[in-house]
Amino acid sequence: AQTVTQSQPEMSVQEAETVTLSCTYDTSENNYYLFWYKQPPSRQMILVIRQEAYKQQNATENRFSVNFQKAAKSFSLKISDSQLGDTAMYFCAFMARYGGATNKLIFGTGTLLAVQP
Amino acid sequence: EPEVTQTPSHQVTQMGQEVILRCVPISNHLYFYWYRQILGQKVEFLVSFYNNEISEKSEIFDDQFSVERPDGSNFTLKIRSTKLEDSAMYFCASSGQGTRDTQYFGPGTRLTVL
Repeated sequence: AQTVTQSQPEMSVQEAETVTLSCTYDTSENNYYLFWYKQPPSRQMILVIRQEAYKQQNATENRFSVNFQKAAKSFSLKISDSQLGDTAMYFCAFMARYGGATNKLIFGTGTLLAVQP
Repeated sequence: EPEVTQTPSHQVTQMGQEVILRCVPISNHLYFYWYRQILGQKVEFLVSFYNNEISEKSEIFDDQFSVERPDGSNFTLKIRSTKLEDSAMYFCASSGQGTRDTQYFGPGTRLTVL
């Protein structure tokens, strides 16, 4: 069974600074995806970034980038130039790619990020 | 930009009552999902749906739960006889043919069972 671990329940960062959120996962699968979702106080789940396991290049989306270490099963999220609107719960999620039609997401417990003015 | 919508945003019900949570996935998407999040806990998979049938379900998704796509646009989750422990945020998600592995979530329905 796959598991996702986020060891930082809460983090704080000053506006305009950089913060890194950690995520590790456990799987015996070779074909999978990793995601970071953001959940602001409105509780909507918003996709931040995704990474295909077969790609060695780390994914980036504007101020968000990941450090994907496949051998270490580590998938951290770096937020550069933090903004007040980045304040949210951040969930790391894993998806194994099987042959079936649908593949479920397995979520970590989340990291609550507070951006301080 | 197309998005997943869910209604109602908040539902309060008495224990033992039936509830139906509604979702309108992104219009050209083919794969549909329900997840739930008990307050303060992580998001958990309930069920996935494709081609008018359940593709996968978790152990949480017992006989009290059912899903349906009654028409070309709606996707519903029914809980037949609600329990106190069903109180949670329920999220619908969908994914498309070309981006099957990326799920887009709706804003959620907060279900409170009294």
